[in-house]
Amino acid sequence: DAGVIQSPRHEVTEMGQEVTLRCKPISGHNSLFWYRQTMMRGLELLIYFNNNVPIDDSGMPEDRFSAKMPNASFSTLKIQPSEPRDSAVYFCASSFADRRVPEAFFGQGTRLTVV
Amino acid sequence: TQLLEQSPQFLSIQEGENLTVYCNSSSVFSSLQWYRQEPGEGPVLLVTVVTGGEVKKLKRLTFQFGDARKDSSLHITAAQPGDTGLYLCAGRNTGGFKTIFGAGTRLFVKA
Repeated sequence: DAGVIQSPRHEVTEMGQEVTLRCKPISGHNSLFWYRQTMMRGLELLIYFNNNVPIDDSGMPEDRFSAKMPNASFSTLKIQPSEPRDSAVYFCASSFADRRVPEAFFGQGTRLTVV
Repeated sequence: TQLLEQSPQFLSIQEGENLTVYCNSSSVFSSLQWYRQEPGEGPVLLVTVVTGGEVKKLKRLTFQFGDARKDSSLHITAAQPGDTGLYLCAGRNTGGFKTIFGAGTRLFVKA
């Protein structure tokens, strides 16, 4: 079975440019999470969706960040305009919204570098 | 705000030694997971504990969930270089879908 698929794996962009990160969750999963990981702050939850609906976006750092989930098999995280401090590894994860099986399965991440 | 504190932050030991990693919170969680992350990869789930006092074993790894479901520990017996990685605990809040992560314990096992 294919796991969570993220693209691109690496992205280098100039400050001020728009960046779009993509995620395909595991088929059948109905919860999707976007995380950001840095050495200083660890793994931070940015936003999560349940049945394609954003449930909690309190972790989104600024209005420059937006996330969408137009259908059950695709989600995007957009940063516009990007800044050097946005440099991090961004992970997408998916799971079943079932309290008995709460495990999240992670993609390999997108390493973003804003110069 | 629910927080998970992990200790130690960094651990460097010799092959064959035992170690314990702790995950503590002032909040109650409906479940707690332990993940391991290797460089360039996403976290991979090791175990989920759900019941207060629960103990689970995975080969040389022993996981325990505190009676009050606020803390957990991971004990590794006879550590091997292949155990090297970042160990993350993650808690799921009661009545919801949100999972939060601790900052992690970076383990290095020397041959």
